[in-house]
Amino acid sequence: GAVVSQHPSRVICKSGTSVKIECRSLDFQATTMFWYRQFPKKSLMLMATSNEGSKATYEQGVEKDKFLINHASLTLSTLTVTSAHPEDSSFYICSAPDRELQEKLFFGSGTQLSVL
Amino acid sequence: SQKIEQNSEALNIQEGKTATLTCNYTNYSPAYLQWYRQDPGRGPVFLLLIRENEKEKRKERLKVTFDTTLKQSLFHITASQPADSATYLCALTPRDDKIIFGKGTRLHILP
Repeated sequence: GAVVSQHPSRVICKSGTSVKIECRSLDFQATTMFWYRQFPKKSLMLMATSNEGSKATYEQGVEKDKFLINHASLTLSTLTVTSAHPEDSSFYICSAPDRELQEKLFFGSGTQLSVL
Repeated sequence: SQKIEQNSEALNIQEGKTATLTCNYTNYSPAYLQWYRQDPGRGPVFLLLIRENEKEKRKERLKVTFDTTLKQSLFHITASQPADSATYLCALTPRDDKIIFGKGTRLHILP
């Protein structure tokens, strides 16, 4: 199956700093990627849909100035958590849809963000 | 309100037995239903997808059933192994809307 690579896997930062998370599709091109957030024992919550060459689409309640998404190429989407605060600590996961069946998702390995 | 329900209690199954996980939903008319496996600290991995007009799907030791009348999907792992221990997520895609995930059920296969 297709491979989605996410980096870093874990990051610890001080409150007020910005953190960038990268998501790459390694063996296929992804015009769309999805960014999720997951709290312990909770379901995956879609934050935004990243669209190559255009603005991301954010879900209701997600601050677009807080969570900056850039999808500059067909293989790379980035999520930047700006001015991170402890409440932003969470597990962030990206995914890309299968080219033939969009409902089937390939996920990255996730990034555990801890803001001190 | 719209809900996806998976058993929040962990499921303990003896090795070699069949593990059966349940996914119930309300107020959705899903076009697709999927099951993913998630290991601790990792992203989910796709396992099986079943369409609304399909009743059953199999892949090796895995079987998924989909009952749109009962609004329920069952996920079976036959001849379970300790390596099958993980959290299993149910996900459905309503028509003309984005995929929605359940909270998952933790499965422990006991040696």
